[in-house]
Amino acid sequence: DAKTTQPTSMDCAEGRAANLPCNHSTISGNEYVYWYRQIHSQGPQYIIHGLKNNETNEMASLIITEDRKSSTLILPHATLRDTAVYYCIVRVPQAAYKYIFGTGTRLKVLA
Amino acid sequence: DAGVTQSPTHLIKTRGQQVTLRCSPKSGHDTVSWYQQALGQGPQFIFQYYEEEERQRGNFPDRFSGHQFPNYSSELNVNALLLGDSALYLCASSLFRGAQETQYFGPGTRLLVL
Repeated sequence: DAKTTQPTSMDCAEGRAANLPCNHSTISGNEYVYWYRQIHSQGPQYIIHGLKNNETNEMASLIITEDRKSSTLILPHATLRDTAVYYCIVRVPQAAYKYIFGTGTRLKVLA
Repeated sequence: DAGVTQSPTHLIKTRGQQVTLRCSPKSGHDTVSWYQQALGQGPQFIFQYYEEEERQRGNFPDRFSGHQFPNYSSELNVNALLLGDSALYLCASSLFRGAQETQYFGPGTRLLVL
């Protein structure tokens, strides 16, 4: 059911930028891209969302390609506490009330 | 400002029993969604409540039911528990704004069915 594709796992050195890609090639014009992360079976934590413009907040930056078929979540200076599973979610318009989670990317930040 | 809270944090039940899980939404939020997360999987949508009505439902049997109270808090009830109902149950609250609705998740209730 998931409309997004993410790599299963990634490693990143502490202090470096972590770039997490997401493919959403069937995205529609009014669908937002959301990113969440889940640290060791805690509840998912909201990170950022966007429609077509790049977005930045205190946690991360979201870069969406011009054709909107893919996006990248950037953690500018990864720390050990950023080790988590990261989920990229596209809001499905005919099911606008729910999030459809895929399997996410397991990011491991290495000391 | 308290975030989304859930109770209990952990629960152990036996097959055939019934369970009730509780959720208090983030202050100012009027919508509550429930998700089930099996080990190693992403969360799966169960249903969403808005204005005390079930607004949408995922692919879960009728054994799963819910309720939303006038203060927007919510309960998830599961009857006739099966071993496969063992999971982390997540509550998420939001303020309905259509496609930009952002859901904020609670810490979850871990249910073990023996």
